[in-house]
Parts: sequence; structure tokens; C-alpha cells
Amino acid sequence: GAGVSQSPSNKVTEKGKDVELRCDPISGHTALYWYRQSLGQGLEFLIYFQGNSAPDKSGLPSDRFSAERTGGSVSTLTIQRTQQEDSAVYLCASSLVLAYNEQFFGPGTRLTVL
Amino acid sequence: GENVEQHPSTLSVQEGDSAVIKCTYSDSASNYFPWYKQELGKRPQLIIDIRSNVGEKKDQRIAVTLNKTAKHFSLHITETQPEDSAVYFCAAPSGTYKYIFGTGTRLKVLA
Repeated sequence: GAGVSQSPSNKVTEKGKDVELRCDPISGHTALYWYRQSLGQGLEFLIYFQGNSAPDKSGLPSDRFSAERTGGSVSTLTIQRTQQEDSAVYLCASSLVLAYNEQFFGPGTRLTVL
Repeated sequence: GENVEQHPSTLSVQEGDSAVIKCTYSDSASNYFPWYKQELGKRPQLIIDIRSNVGEKKDQRIAVTLNKTAKHFSLHITETQPEDSAVYFCAAPSGTYKYIFGTGTRLKVLA
């Protein structure tokens, strides 16, 4: 079946512009995660959604970052007034509702802020 | 909350030798520890995981050991091959669904 997909694969934007990154999780996966991976760095947790529960936003680095998940499926990560330090690969992952399950990652969106 | 430290950050081994990567965690309540492999330009993929009711799990050339008392777990790769070259990440749960990842180990297997 189809895996996790993300769009766009690459995004180049100018400092100060807003960007939207999209994630389509695997069908039936109720848990959805966003991570940020800077060049040569680890996976920085940003936010997760679990079913209809309130999302855990504890990893969002500033109020310029927000995310939503519509209908328990597709998720959008929005970065407002982008800064150069926002340049990174943004990875989305999904997993089954049960805890301690494998996370399936998407291919990521490479964001470059000029 | 959970804090995960991973060592070493880079590791070079000769083909056929073994590689060991170690992670320590802080939350004694954590009971699930996955390892992900990320090849260059690709997405991370789960290669092995362990739950706290066992001390070791093996899958062919890959094994993971867990020491709950010392709060550390390790990835062991035996008979390394060039295709093992990648970045490896450990992770530990913070709460039920959130995971904290280590900073990664770049493994290079020299032919």
C-alpha cells in the first residue's frame, strides 16, 4: 500500500514569507508526527496528533509554527514569517493507534529560506 | 521529560568488523526503545526495537541490548557490510506517544 507522502519535496522561499507543508499519512494510522532535521543533525520533535485528542505542541520552537490535522488524516505544518534558521528537512511520520508502534516516515520536505 | 544521549556521533569500521552504538535515557518509566536507520537522502526506517521485558533482541546481524538499571541500550551490528553505512538513531518514549530521538551516529563501513 501507499506509504506516507509529503509535499512539496523541496521549497525555496524568501525570508519573511509564509510556507505550508503537507503530510498524507498511511490510511488507518491515527498518530501523526512532525519532526525537523537540520543538516547533519538529529530528529527534533515538533508536534504530534493522536486521534481526536488535543495535539502535543510542546516541540514547536516558536509561535510562528503551527499545525493542523483535518478529518484525522492530512496534516499541514505552517511556518509564518520564515527565518533562515528555519531551513531544514521537515519529516512527517505516522503510526497505528497503539503505543510503542513503528513510525513510518515520509520522504520529507526540504525547506530553504533565502 | 525524557532526555536521550547517543554516542559516538561518528564511527568508522572495517568491513566485517562489529559496530556498537550506545544510547542513554533519563526517564526510568520508558519501556520501548526503537532504532532507526537513515541512508543518505532517504527517510528513517525502523530496523529493530526492544521492550523493557527483555534484555536482548536479535535479528540476523543486528542486535539490541537493554540495561534498565543503568538506563542505557545499545545497537550491535556484526559482520558489517558497506550497505550498513548510514546514520542510526535511537529513540525513547516521553509519555505514551511522543518520542525523543538521539542525535544520530554516522556509521561508515570501509571496504
